[in-house]
Amino acid sequence: DAKTTQPPSMDCAEGRAANLPCNHSTISGNEYVYWYRQIHSQGPQYIIHGLKNNETNEMASLIITEDRKSSTLILPHATLRDTAVYYCIAESGYSTLTFGKGTMLLVSP
Amino acid sequence: SAVISQKPSRDICQRGTSLTIQCQVDSQVTMMFWYRQQPGQSLTLIATANQGSEATYESGFVIDKFPISRPNLTFSTLTVSNMSPEDSSIYLCSVEGQGSTDTQYFGPGTRLTVL
Repeated sequence: DAKTTQPPSMDCAEGRAANLPCNHSTISGNEYVYWYRQIHSQGPQYIIHGLKNNETNEMASLIITEDRKSSTLILPHATLRDTAVYYCIAESGYSTLTFGKGTMLLVSP
Repeated sequence: SAVISQKPSRDICQRGTSLTIQCQVDSQVTMMFWYRQQPGQSLTLIATANQGSEATYESGFVIDKFPISRPNLTFSTLTVSNMSPEDSSIYLCSVEGQGSTDTQYFGPGTRLTVL
């Protein structure tokens, strides 16, 4: 699995877009980019994943650069309930996830 | 996505004792996993619970300490044996979604404190 690098923390004002970056410069062609988040004292929650194309669902958008060496998770209108640790994972599909330290996103009023 | 429940949600145990954690899924799933999250740390995979065969353990985790059962496609247990305070953690089970590219769904976790 490719190593990912994320900033340890980020702040965002409520109602604004939260853009969480992830670097995965050693990603291989068959590895997907997954995003999960963990709200305090809860199990991780799947957000979105992608291979090459940008993806959007009801929770977020995932923008993957053309060279696939980095990606950005976008929460279009952050709320206080989006305060959580966000994990970016590059995974080849052998069914195991390797969690790094993630980014602690603090959404403030 | 699958609905996953864990029992107990939390427990406080004495050192030297054992605790069995249950994980129940509302649908049949092929892959089930057990993770540990030590205080202030990220998640670490303990093992993959295989139905009908022995669990597959990650480096640093052994069957004698963390025996796992997987009697069917909707249920698994993890036992934390001969506990010490260093075993104080959140233990989480997860399952792989059906028809997805290895997306995993997690249970709410079991918060274990060992005194």
